[in-house]
Amino acid sequence: SYKLTQPPSVSVSPGQTASITCSGDELDDKYTCWYQQKPGQSPVLVIYQDTRRPSGIPERFSGSNSGNTATLTIRGTQTMDEGDYYCQAWDSSTWVFGGGTKLTVL
Amino acid sequence: EVQLVESGGGLVQPGGSLRLSCTASGFTFSRYWMHWVRQAPGKGLVWVSRINSDGTTTSYADSVKGRFTISRDNAKNTLSLQMNSLRAEDTAVYYCTRGAALTEYDYWGQGTLVTVSA
Repeated sequence: SYKLTQPPSVSVSPGQTASITCSGDELDDKYTCWYQQKPGQSPVLVIYQDTRRPSGIPERFSGSNSGNTATLTIRGTQTMDEGDYYCQAWDSSTWVFGGGTKLTVL
Repeated sequence: EVQLVESGGGLVQPGGSLRLSCTASGFTFSRYWMHWVRQAPGKGLVWVSRINSDGTTTSYADSVKGRFTISRDNAKNTLSLQMNSLRAEDTAVYYCTRGAALTEYDYWGQGTLVTVSA
């Protein structure tokens, strides 16, 4: 079965750029999306179709997908961006999530 | 405003059954694929099942195939998940999600907790 791999944790200082990666075999052949989940809350879609932002998501969130790696980039990271981030892709009629990355802003 | 409201979670013994429901509002329910996604305590997100817009096709994760059944009632804007032969490893928050244009979920419910324990 298809697998997506994320780093367990990423730390960034306020105002700096955070990058969270998601790796999978020939991932750029698939559309990747990203969700943000804060403690006790439901996930929120922040990037879809590799690079697109839903309405209401700040411009500091961006995405890319090349080769075997998709990347979520948060520029000018704010403390409110702390939380867990999950990548997701579709493969062979199943919807696959990465294991999640805990973003710490300190 | 799009809303997805799950219900039906609770405590059930191993081998027991439970039926989850999700009531949708704020959009034309019959036009969208719908999914269930679960999250075990302290763990990540896992896709469980999906159903197409008119309810004619379904698919399941291997871990629940043969035990869970997804269904929908477009007249009542309701999505359901019948869960049988429950195991401890099915313990999780179950989210109802709306499938967007391609592969992503653009709206999530608040989740309902299912605990399988003796």
